[in-house]
Amino acid sequence: QVQLVQSGAEVKKPGASVKVSCKASGYTFTSYDINWVRQATGQGLEWMGWMNPNSGNTGYAQKFQGRVTMTRNTSISTAYMELSSLRSEDTAVYYCARGDSSEIDYWGQGTLVTVSS
Amino acid sequence: SSELTQDPAVSVALGQTVRITCQGDSLRSYYASWYQQKPGQAPVLVIYGKNNRPSGIPDRFSGSSSGNTASLTITGAQAEDEADYYCNSRDSSGNHLELFGGGTKLTVL
Repeated sequence: QVQLVQSGAEVKKPGASVKVSCKASGYTFTSYDINWVRQATGQGLEWMGWMNPNSGNTGYAQKFQGRVTMTRNTSISTAYMELSSLRSEDTAVYYCARGDSSEIDYWGQGTLVTVSS
Repeated sequence: SSELTQDPAVSVALGQTVRITCQGDSLRSYYASWYQQKPGQAPVLVIYGKNNRPSGIPDRFSGSSSGNTASLTITGAQAEDEADYYCNSRDSSGNHLELFGGGTKLTVL
């Protein structure tokens, strides 16, 4: 069965960076995009960007351009999302989610990132 | 426009039918996907494409679309359907961007 397993919770200071991992199993990692979506407490889903694990091509929401980097290691079927220059407003649960040309179907369990001095 | 708009909250009596809507220009070009999210859990895909349900999703969930509006209908709502529901579609700008609606909190009375 398709699974996306994310790394554990992180606590970071303002100005630092965080790197969240997402390990895929149960399907061919390079055949589907990986999207990253975040959700602040009590708020809605906010799409951050996507990556094609086969080509490494990426696309980022304008809000995050310059601060987010999405990469992958195909040998271990793992995608990464790094967010820099963290501020308190970046405190949220970060999800990776598998996508293809028409829908985002499977989601990781989420990673809580807390930004606090 | 690059937005999807949902009503913040909707309620339905147990066993009745409820429709949750999502409006946006991108829906003229792309089907909406719908996700159910319960507290403390990751979203779960319930409807995608024209009106497709992933395996394991009850057939009381259905989807439809007309013009710039997509709808998720729950026919015979159950207590376990109480959750937040989000719509999603590709942005129609052609830049491979995704959009999410603000979410609808469904209360089953």
